Amino acid sequence: EDQVTQSPEALRLQEGESSSLNCSYTVSGLRGLFWYRQDPGKGPEFLFTLYSAGEEKEKERLKATLTKKESFLHITAPKPEDSATYLCAVQVGVMRFGAGTRLTVKP
Amino acid sequence: EPEVTQTPSHQVTQMGQEVILRCVPISNHLYFYWYRQILGQKVEFLVSFYNNEISEKSEIFDDQFSVERPDGSNFTLKIRSTKLEDSAMYFCASSERSGEWGNTGELFFGEGSRLTVL
Repeated sequence: EDQVTQSPEALRLQEGESSSLNCSYTVSGLRGLFWYRQDPGKGPEFLFTLYSAGEEKEKERLKATLTKKESFLHITAPKPEDSATYLCAVQVGVMRFGAGTRLTVKP
Repeated sequence: EPEVTQTPSHQVTQMGQEVILRCVPISNHLYFYWYRQILGQKVEFLVSFYNNEISEKSEIFDDQFSVERPDGSNFTLKIRSTKLEDSAMYFCASSERSGEWGNTGELFFGEGSRLTVL
């Protein structure tokens, strides 16, 4: 069965304290791995798509990387406005989501 | 910037009542989806829709659920007889391509419709 596991469930950082979120997956026929940001009470907002191992994408303080078994979302010098739940999703025909990492960045 | 819009933003209903949630996908998109998120849980796939028919559905999408594209712009999710466990946030999404033949690319999500079943 296809599995997407995100860790940690929750992460509290001080402003400026860099860290990484993990998404591990066991799927067959992966057609893409996606990162989304979700604010409370809102719909997921697209961040990145990664298609193949070794690929990296960057956007402001965020960088996503992909290996054959996992993806990392690196957050460099985060700010309080980066506080949100970060969702990983894998495309295997349909898009299936992990449970997310709830990030809190304190000033 | 184009966006997916959903109505209502919040609906409260009695158990056993029918509910229709509405979505207007992005105008040039051809593939439409419904997902749901029970409070504190993951975003779960319900159904995908293309060319006026269901292309894939999950085990959650049983006979109580139906989808329809009644005109050129709206995409609806109907729950015939709501149960307490149907209480959730329901998200509509659309994409330019289908995941069946490759990657859908980005799914654009609406802000969601919160359904509360009493």
